[in-house]
Amino acid sequence: GEDVEQSLFLSVREGDSSVINCTYTDSSSTYLYWYKQEPGAGLQLLTYIFSNMDMKQDQRLTVLLNKKDKHLSLRIADTQTGDSAIYFCAERRPGSGNTGKLIFGQGTTLQVKP
Amino acid sequence: DAGVTQSPTHLIKTRGQQVTLRCSPKSGHDTVSWYQQALGQGPQFIFQYYEEEERQRGNFPDRFSGHQFPNYSSELNVNALLLGDSALYLCASSPGWGRSGANVLTFGAGSRLTVL
Repeated sequence: GEDVEQSLFLSVREGDSSVINCTYTDSSSTYLYWYKQEPGAGLQLLTYIFSNMDMKQDQRLTVLLNKKDKHLSLRIADTQTGDSAIYFCAERRPGSGNTGKLIFGQGTTLQVKP
Repeated sequence: DAGVTQSPTHLIKTRGQQVTLRCSPKSGHDTVSWYQQALGQGPQFIFQYYEEEERQRGNFPDRFSGHQFPNYSSELNVNALLLGDSALYLCASSPGWGRSGANVLTFGAGSRLTVL
């Protein structure tokens, strides 16, 4: 099917690590992304990983990719209240020529308690 | 750099009406994609424009149509509006495939459409 699956809600305490998980569907997807959406706003790209990599670190963010299981995770170290938002996982499905579309999960709401 | 700009930010229409949403891509980007995000859901791909042509389309009816202009800006048109068309419509731009950064979409803040 087309679905990218994410858990709907995660609550953590400020200073803890957060881990958001995602399962995607298409083994031919070339890139996998994590986007952040704050209330009333558009999507902000946090990070992405090419499908031939298994890990990428960018400051407080660590992305792990298990291609065999089609599992992607985002770890946020030292989570802050400003990290409270909805996090979307997305896979890039290849298309012909210049095309390619992103398939998004339904989002994980991260709540950070002081 | 203004990034991706969309207009209007909010609008209210009634069933059966038509709506046009507008998008200006980020400077240097020539490919524009449109996504629909219903409340509580992830964005869904509508279509993508490159070189003024629709290159790929998602699972949306023909009531959804678009256009890309020579300056790379784009419009999304929705005819015969239904209550279920109420959503946040997101425009995203990127460089053409094969160019540096082509794998990264930059999203605008969206146009929130309410159909009554």
